[in-house]
Amino acid sequence: QSALTQPPSASGSPGQSVTISCTGTTSDVGGYNFVSWYQQHPDKAPKLMIYEVSKRPSGVPDRFSGSKSGNTASLTVSGLQAEDEADYYCSSYAGSIKEVFGGGTKLTVL
Amino acid sequence: EVQLVESGGGLVQPGGSLRLSCAASGFTVSSNYMNWVRQAPGKGLEWVSVIYPGGSTFYADSVKGRFIISRDNSKNTLYLQMNSLGAEDTAVYYCARDVAAAVVRWAFDIWGQGTMVTVSS
Repeated sequence: QSALTQPPSASGSPGQSVTISCTGTTSDVGGYNFVSWYQQHPDKAPKLMIYEVSKRPSGVPDRFSGSKSGNTASLTVSGLQAEDEADYYCSSYAGSIKEVFGGGTKLTVL
Repeated sequence: EVQLVESGGGLVQPGGSLRLSCAASGFTVSSNYMNWVRQAPGKGLEWVSVIYPGGSTFYADSVKGRFIISRDNSKNTLYLQMNSLGAEDTAVYYCARDVAAAVVRWAFDIWGQGTMVTVSS
């Protein structure tokens, strides 16, 4: 399976909203509602932010939201804060008991 | 506290083997879907393997036939036996728990701190 496609970078000013896309195929993103988003700060382990397209784990601020349309999933971060600056990865179940990740998006808070 | 702690990484020569361990606390490894995910230096995440509560195991094509995932229920520990290692296996290896214990959700809510594996002569 090929990696899901994410933009390499995204940016926004504090308080603004930013949306990161994650494009796959009908064999992964478009075929299953098992899309997740992870936040990773430098030299830290990833942190689950969104699962099953739009569900937030306990403790994740509601500024983070997820959606999906066709083969593209999206993560929206509203009310950007300095601590949101990190790398973000999407992932999706890809059938045949396999998971695929996106290449990652570096989010910069200007 | 629910946590995972990896160990066993290090420098290994091409063609060599290494076994990684992932000790869990605060929950039972055998009751959960447990995964290994790796990240090459400066690169993105790559799913490696999963072991189901029932014991079934599955692998990414890139490691199939070379890596073996297993667990020791008495030690509440997950393992990854890595054989025939190549430079392309150089990465930080994370163990991670699926968010749901009853039915796999392909989302990982608990991660270890990672252990670095370097394959080089």
